[in-house]
Amino acid sequence: GENVEQHPSTLSVQEGDSAVIKCTYSDSASNYFPWYKQELGKGPQLIIDIRSNVGEKKDQRIAVTLNKTAKHFSLHITETQPEDSAVYFCAASLGGTSYGKLTFGQGTILTVHP
Amino acid sequence: DGGITQSPKYLFRKEGQNVTLSCEQNLNHDAMYWYRQDPGQGLRLIYYSQIVNDFQKGDIAEGYSVSREKKESFPLTVTSAQKNPTAFYLCASSIGGRNIQYFGAGTRLSVL
Repeated sequence: GENVEQHPSTLSVQEGDSAVIKCTYSDSASNYFPWYKQELGKGPQLIIDIRSNVGEKKDQRIAVTLNKTAKHFSLHITETQPEDSAVYFCAASLGGTSYGKLTFGQGTILTVHP
Repeated sequence: DGGITQSPKYLFRKEGQNVTLSCEQNLNHDAMYWYRQDPGQGLRLIYYSQIVNDFQKGDIAEGYSVSREKKESFPLTVTSAQKNPTAFYLCASSIGGRNIQYFGAGTRLSVL
């Protein structure tokens, strides 16, 4: 089955700096890659996603890039703010009969210091 | 307000006891999912259901059971066969045929 590796496990930045989180996946058939943000004691919330027919997607301070050849994708947060502090998860999904089934990375704890 | 409601927020289980976690959605989504989250780990899929009266095992189904009698409800039972049930349990749903999953606020299960 699919395997997703996420790095780093923890990331500490100063307010205003950029943060980058990277994920690799094993199955070249995966075609959907969402990123979720989870605040303490809450469920994950989708912040951005990308499909395999697109190389990059941006939404204000957040961007995701996808390299299908290398099988990795990354989350970029610019001008970080203290409220960006949370756990971030990447995930990958196959199409076909596994449609909708997500495999998650291990998570990255992002801390933004004021 | 549309969304996914999980209850209770906290749950305690005694040895040998079965407990049931509730998940209700009013988003009219076809698919529903249960995940387990352990500290420092990602989410692991327990069971999922694409339509009413049908469900499939995920990666860690042993010791758990589910039912899907109604579109809006997908309860998870943690049976006594699950020897390490302490975890944060998350329910999610998605529109049939699409991948975007929306999550509830979770239930934290502990063993007494």
